[in-house]
Amino acid sequence: AQTVTQSQPEMSVQEAETVTLSCTYDTSENNYYLFWYKQPPSRQMILVIRQEAYKQQNATENRFSVNFQKAAKSFSLKISDSQLGDTAMYFCAFIGGGSNYKLTFGKGTLLTVNP
Amino acid sequence: DTAVSQTPKYLVTQMGNDKSIKCEQNLGHDTMYWYKQDSKKFLKIMFSYNNKELIINETVPNRFSPKSPDKAHLNLHINSLELGDSAVYFCASSLGLAGMDQQFFGPGTRLTVL
Repeated sequence: AQTVTQSQPEMSVQEAETVTLSCTYDTSENNYYLFWYKQPPSRQMILVIRQEAYKQQNATENRFSVNFQKAAKSFSLKISDSQLGDTAMYFCAFIGGGSNYKLTFGKGTLLTVNP
Repeated sequence: DTAVSQTPKYLVTQMGNDKSIKCEQNLGHDTMYWYKQDSKKFLKIMFSYNNKELIINETVPNRFSPKSPDKAHLNLHINSLELGDSAVYFCASSLGLAGMDQQFFGPGTRLTVL
C-alpha cells in the first residue's frame, strides 16, 4: 500500500520569503502522479501543482515549484515570494498510474505566512 | 457556474438520525468520489464511482451508502449517525480513473453529530 508522509505539522514564513514543505512517499509502482493541494481556511481543496513520475523535469506553477527526487521518493514544495494568501494547510498526495485509483493524502502541513 | 457543488454545506443532527449529502458536478466527468476529513484534517477516500459503477469502497461502515443516479450526481446517505461520523465530507470528480486526471473538489459539507 502506498503511504505519504509529511513530517512538518506546522511551518511559518515571513511574507516575501521562500519556504519549502517536505513530503516523502512509499510505493512499489514505477509510474504514478504526485500532487500538492492547498486548503485555506475556506476549506476548499485547491490543486497547486502536479508531477508525473516519468517526467524528470520538476513541475513549476508561477511561485510554486517542486523538487522531485524519484530515487529518494521525495516530493517537496517550494513557495517563493510568500504571500499572506498562501496561509493554508498543504497536502501532499499520491495516485498510482495503474489500476490503483485511490488518491492517498499525507497528514498535511499548516503553513502560516506572517506579515 | 460552480464545477462541483455539495448541499448542504453545514449539517447538524442528533445521534441515530439518517441524513443525506448531495453532490453534483457540471464538468461532464465520468468519475466521482467521496472523501472524509476528520478532526485532525486527515483526508481519506471513502467511495469512488465511474460511470455510475462502484469502483472503490474503502472499509466504510455499511451505514454509509453512496448512490449515483447519473454520472453528474453522487449522493451520500448515512444511517444511524454516530458521534464519530462528525467530519467534513468532500465530493470530488475527475474526467476518468487515470492517475493523470485531476480531481476537482467540492466545497465540503461539515457534519456535526450531537
